[in-house]
Amino acid sequence: AQSVTQLGSHVSVSEGALVLLRCNYSSSVPPYLFWYVQYPNQGLQLLLKYTSAATLVKGINGFEAEFKKSETSFHLTKPSAHMSDAAEYFCAVSTMNSGYSTLTFGKGTMLLVSP
Amino acid sequence: KAGVTQTPRYLIKTRGQQVTLSCSPISGHRSVSWYQQTPGQGLQFLFEYFSETQRNKGNFPGRFSGRQFSNSRSEMNVSTLELGDSALYLCASSSTVVAGGKTQYFGPGTRLLVL
Repeated sequence: AQSVTQLGSHVSVSEGALVLLRCNYSSSVPPYLFWYVQYPNQGLQLLLKYTSAATLVKGINGFEAEFKKSETSFHLTKPSAHMSDAAEYFCAVSTMNSGYSTLTFGKGTMLLVSP
Repeated sequence: KAGVTQTPRYLIKTRGQQVTLSCSPISGHRSVSWYQQTPGQGLQFLFEYFSETQRNKGNFPGRFSGRQFSNSRSEMNVSTLELGDSALYLCASSSTVVAGGKTQYFGPGTRLLVL
């Protein structure tokens, strides 16, 4: 069964610093991978997704993620953190069940940005 | 294009009652999925509907049910509410049901509190 593991339930950075949120996946087939962001009292917003077209995926708000098959990783990065980036981030893998797909999410990483 | 809408946004119920939540997908989207989000279990898949038929189901008891109407709007129902059903219920829509890389767009969620 496909799954994702997010390392670190909380990550703290200073404004302007590099953001690195870690995600490792487990999949027996080439995976479809996603990063979503959730702001307080809101639903999930898609940041980016990997569908095997390119290993480096660029998303919204300056975020990008690199798919590394050898490391089974799909880490999310942003060169310079902004206060507005403070939110919870979820990595997800598309899981197939009886011919239909759904999303299996990691536990989430809360990003804290200090001035 | 309007996003996914969910009503109501907040709901308070007591144990033993039942509740119905509503979701309107993005125009043209025919697939609607439901997820439960709790601090302890994270995001868990409930079920998915496409063309008024349940296509996929997560590991939840039969107290959780849903349906989809001909206009793709969906409702989920929880009967005999338990304290543990307190959660944020998220609805997501997509234009297809089968594709592994399909993108799901989430609504703002309905926060249910069971007292």
